[in-house]
Amino acid sequence: GEDVEQSLFLSVREGDSSVINCTYTDSSSTYLYWYKQEPGAGLQLLTYIFSNMDMKQDQRLTVLLNKKDKHLSLRIADTQTGDSAIYFCAAALSGNTGKLIFGQGTTLQVKP
Amino acid sequence: NAGVMQNPRHLVRRRGQEARLRCSPMKGHSHVYWYRQLPEEGLKFMVYLQKENIIDESGMPKERFSAEFPKEGPSILRIQQVVRGDSAAYFCASSQGREDTQYFGPGTRLTVL
Repeated sequence: GEDVEQSLFLSVREGDSSVINCTYTDSSSTYLYWYKQEPGAGLQLLTYIFSNMDMKQDQRLTVLLNKKDKHLSLRIADTQTGDSAIYFCAAALSGNTGKLIFGQGTTLQVKP
Repeated sequence: NAGVMQNPRHLVRRRGQEARLRCSPMKGHSHVYWYRQLPEEGLKFMVYLQKENIIDESGMPKERFSAEFPKEGPSILRIQQVVRGDSAAYFCASSQGREDTQYFGPGTRLTVL
């Protein structure tokens, strides 16, 4: 079955760029999502990319998709302390019921 | 425009009791998904429902867990005879269509004593 992997932890300084990486195994993934979870809270949809795209930009967020390597990344420009959270990558499979397969989450720590 | 609503936000049960978790989807959404998040882990799919129908329950434990989404009212995830291992955050998500973007509720944090 589909597997989604993320590195567990990333620490950056305020003002730097953050890059969070994700790999997935099923090449039939249609949409790939990034969600943000703050402590004790639900998941906030940040952005998503369709599998026939290789890049999407939305203000400080840039998503890059390398379909050949099944690698997805989320770049946050000018990272702020308010960006400290857990970031989840999730894949939706083609022809599926639409259920999402999540990575284990990357904890982003932003130091002032 | 209210988002996905879940209640209660926190639920404490003793072993052997029943837990009922409720989810009201976003307005205009008729597709509901339930996910479970164990401590320090990502979310795992449990079940996908449309009104009055269970479409995919491949992630549901075989015993003690059930879900419904009636014609009127919220979706309910029911856990009978809870055990300590059921302690987790349970998230509901809704979407407009089957493969559309899913929006998540704030979750119900279940603690089993």
